[in-house]
Amino acid sequence: EIVLTQSPGTLSLSPGERATLSCRASQTVSSSYLAWYQQKPGQAPRLLIFGASSRATGIPDRFSGSGSGTDFTLTISRLEPEDFAVYYCQHYGNSPDMYTFGQGTKLEIK
Amino acid sequence: QITLKESGPTLVKPTQTLTLTCTFSGFSLSTIGVGVGWIRQPPGKALEWLALISWDDNKRYNPSLRTRLSLTKDTSKNQVVLTVTNMDPVDTATYFCAHIVIAAPVRYAMDVWGQGTTVTVSS
Repeated sequence: EIVLTQSPGTLSLSPGERATLSCRASQTVSSSYLAWYQQKPGQAPRLLIFGASSRATGIPDRFSGSGSGTDFTLTISRLEPEDFAVYYCQHYGNSPDMYTFGQGTKLEIK
Repeated sequence: QITLKESGPTLVKPTQTLTLTCTFSGFSLSTIGVGVGWIRQPPGKALEWLALISWDDNKRYNPSLRTRLSLTKDTSKNQVVLTVTNMDPVDTATYFCAHIVIAAPVRYAMDVWGQGTTVTVSS
């Protein structure tokens, strides 16, 4: 069973800065099945990235995803006030067929 | 426009069975490549995937909860029903359903979510 470990647990940055969030898998995974979500307090998660690097519909281009194998990154190039939230990576795999979520990275205003 | 909404009891007693309904619009669960998933989130904690049902009635469950979960779909009503048996206080969480695009290139990402429904397990 795959475990996704996100780091850091909390990231404190200022608007305008660049954010780099990491997601590490316990074994090699297919990037085709790696997604990132944003969740704000009291809201449902929102899909940001699928296939490790493809932006979902309506997602601003300051969000980008990259990586392969066991190491994946979500980058927010220039933080806007509305970007401060919790971010989760997710993988869907087989053997067994299941989804795995990381534990989340909280991006907070410095 | 795709929308989903969860409904069900807000409070259940330990050992009871929880039944949640996801009612959706804007898509059909008979369309090839489409699925509906359930995910939960205990207060202050991370997301946990529970189950997935796809257009061909293929059902997949979180192995750690498999014996307690059951999924059914009613395509004519645009509903998916999740049943969780033997509820415990640790099952207290917000339960979400989500639209899933199984086909490439999205490949199982959850692209639209319901607002969630909070369930408390307490005697």
